[in-house]
Amino acid sequence: QKEVEQDPGPLSVPEGAIVSLNCTYSNSAFQYFMWYRQYSRKGPELLMYTYSSGNKEDGRFTAQVDKSSKYISLFIRDSQPSDSATYLCAMSHTGTASKLTFGTGTRLQVTL
Amino acid sequence: EPEVTQTPSHQVTQMGQEVILRCVPISNHLYFYWYRQILGQKVEFLVSFYNNEISEKSEIFDDQFSVERPDGSNFTLKIRSTKLEDSAMYFCASSSPGQGGQPQHFGDGTRLSIL
Repeated sequence: QKEVEQDPGPLSVPEGAIVSLNCTYSNSAFQYFMWYRQYSRKGPELLMYTYSSGNKEDGRFTAQVDKSSKYISLFIRDSQPSDSATYLCAMSHTGTASKLTFGTGTRLQVTL
Repeated sequence: EPEVTQTPSHQVTQMGQEVILRCVPISNHLYFYWYRQILGQKVEFLVSFYNNEISEKSEIFDDQFSVERPDGSNFTLKIRSTKLEDSAMYFCASSSPGQGGQPQHFGDGTRLSIL
């Protein structure tokens, strides 16, 4: 079983739709959870960061972590064509400056 | 907003040659990382660096790889004798001391092409 699993997509939605992106993981030691957005030929851009379980909201983005189910989600409200990108989940253990373990990324396309 | 900068954006090198990839982390960050992403694959951890020494390294980071912080601003990744399979995007990241050194902020990467 892979440490972090993410549906690669592609996921195509119309403009204005609510998008749900998900990752599951197997390692219960993961405590820090991040979502990055990656445009073609660019580096991962941090979108959301949560520690342990719970929800976090920032504008149109909401991140949820359910440690009991080993499941994390990113919701995008009122999706825009500019949201078209690959979304990467990443997570790490506690401990100073632990490495990130990434999912494979989900490619999202928001159409007009 | 402060950002991680990487140079060059694209490096083409003959197999067997040495290559140095350069990074300028965010100025108040103390933890530094290198990751790579082979085309079509996930981002993979190579090495983390703190207080002028390696904190953690992956199996990928063998004796052909080395890292250095030669001065107060730069962080470099050297590959001594490149192989075809080293072709990938290489990303530098940095993080601040708070909250267990997370989250990490990434540069836009160097695309390394080995011929």
